[in-house]
Amino acid sequence: GAVVSQHPSRVICKSGTSVKIECRSLDFQATTMFWYRQFPKQSLMLMATSNEGSKATYEQGVEKDKFLINHASLTLSTLTVTSAHPEDSSFYICSASALGQGVDGYTFGSGTRLTVV
Amino acid sequence: AQSVSQHNHHVILSEAASLELGCNYSYGGTVNLFWYVQYPGQHLQLLLKYFSGDPLVKGIKGFEAEFIKSKFSFNLRKPSVQWSDTAEYFCAVNPNDYKLSFGAGTTVTVRA
Repeated sequence: GAVVSQHPSRVICKSGTSVKIECRSLDFQATTMFWYRQFPKQSLMLMATSNEGSKATYEQGVEKDKFLINHASLTLSTLTVTSAHPEDSSFYICSASALGQGVDGYTFGSGTRLTVV
Repeated sequence: AQSVSQHNHHVILSEAASLELGCNYSYGGTVNLFWYVQYPGQHLQLLLKYFSGDPLVKGIKGFEAEFIKSKFSFNLRKPSVQWSDTAEYFCAVNPNDYKLSFGAGTTVTVRA
């Protein structure tokens, strides 16, 4: 079946530095990728939707200059948390879908635990 | 605000016990409903889904869920759990667009 690889699974960084998280579709072309953020005991919150070759669409309240999303190829999307601060510590999850695939076909990565110290 | 609510944060039960996890949503109109499971260290996987038709939906691993439109609910059930069902379970709603809205999740711990 479809597999999405997310890397790294855990990262600890210093406040003020930037962190890049990668999301790769291993065996299909992901025309659309989604980035979610999850705080402890809370829902996965959709941050942004990216389509290959175009700018990401950010959800209300998500700073696009803070969370840079690049979807330069059909198999790779990256989320860069710029100038990270402790409040950015969270669990970030990506999901991907192929062209024509319905919402029931979304494939998720295993998530990245970001800790900013 | 539109939302998805899961009633329990953490459920602990013994093997062979029955499980029911509640999910309510506040979206109006037609929605698609999902339950996902996340085993420790793994990615979210689709357990089952409801789009239309029979409101009692059967999924993988012996799980089922019932859509009750009048109650805006989509509760997940399993008659007899196993230790391997220890995981986090997420209810999700898709209000006829491409986005998924998730509940906060329920951690299920099954004791052997």
